[in-house]
Amino acid sequence: NAGVTQTPKFQVLKTGQSMTLQCAQDMNHEYMSWYRQDPGMGLRLIHYSVGAGITDQGEVPNGYNVSRSTTEDFPLRLLSAAPSQTSVYFCASSPDGGIPFFGQGTRLTVV
Amino acid sequence: GQQLNQSPQSMFIQEGEDVSMNCTSSSIFNTWLWYKQDPGEGPVLLIALYKAGELTSNGRLTAQFGITRKDSFLNISASIPSDVGIYFCAGRDNYQLIWGAGTKLIIKP
Repeated sequence: NAGVTQTPKFQVLKTGQSMTLQCAQDMNHEYMSWYRQDPGMGLRLIHYSVGAGITDQGEVPNGYNVSRSTTEDFPLRLLSAAPSQTSVYFCASSPDGGIPFFGQGTRLTVV
Repeated sequence: GQQLNQSPQSMFIQEGEDVSMNCTSSSIFNTWLWYKQDPGEGPVLLIALYKAGELTSNGRLTAQFGITRKDSFLNISASIPSDVGIYFCAGRDNYQLIWGAGTKLIIKP
């Protein structure tokens, strides 16, 4: 059982580039979310989805887009990368919005 | 955004010592969660608390849901080297999950 799988694990982007962080879960969870983790700030919610076809903004959505075409996948798109988006990104899923299960993270550096 | 006040920010301890950390909030929560994050990994759930006053153990770990529903603590007894990492609390109200900034546990050689 793979749980929540994130790819890539590491990524370096130049300012202005775009990219997609992938997230897939095999637990048939309805609820999925994206967080960013910065030193001393804990986890901050970027976007979340309560089911296929439904997404909503979290605390820090600017500069990011999401879509949820299937239950399994919840990709996060950076439209035009900025140095302020240098962070560690975590995808999480839960069956009912309760206890989230996290992926291993993607460490993104924007230069 | 709203955050829980988690303290201490970091702890330097000797192997074998007991550890205590806590989270406080001005808001009332229905659920408290405690996670541990190892370097290079995602957070992993340690303990979930659902009722005010609830005291739950998981091996050497014990966590409590405060009576006021505004705080929670986590104790680790007889620390061992694999306890190093960052510990996060999270509180859930009717609408959202709010995260503490984390407590970094470091064991002195």
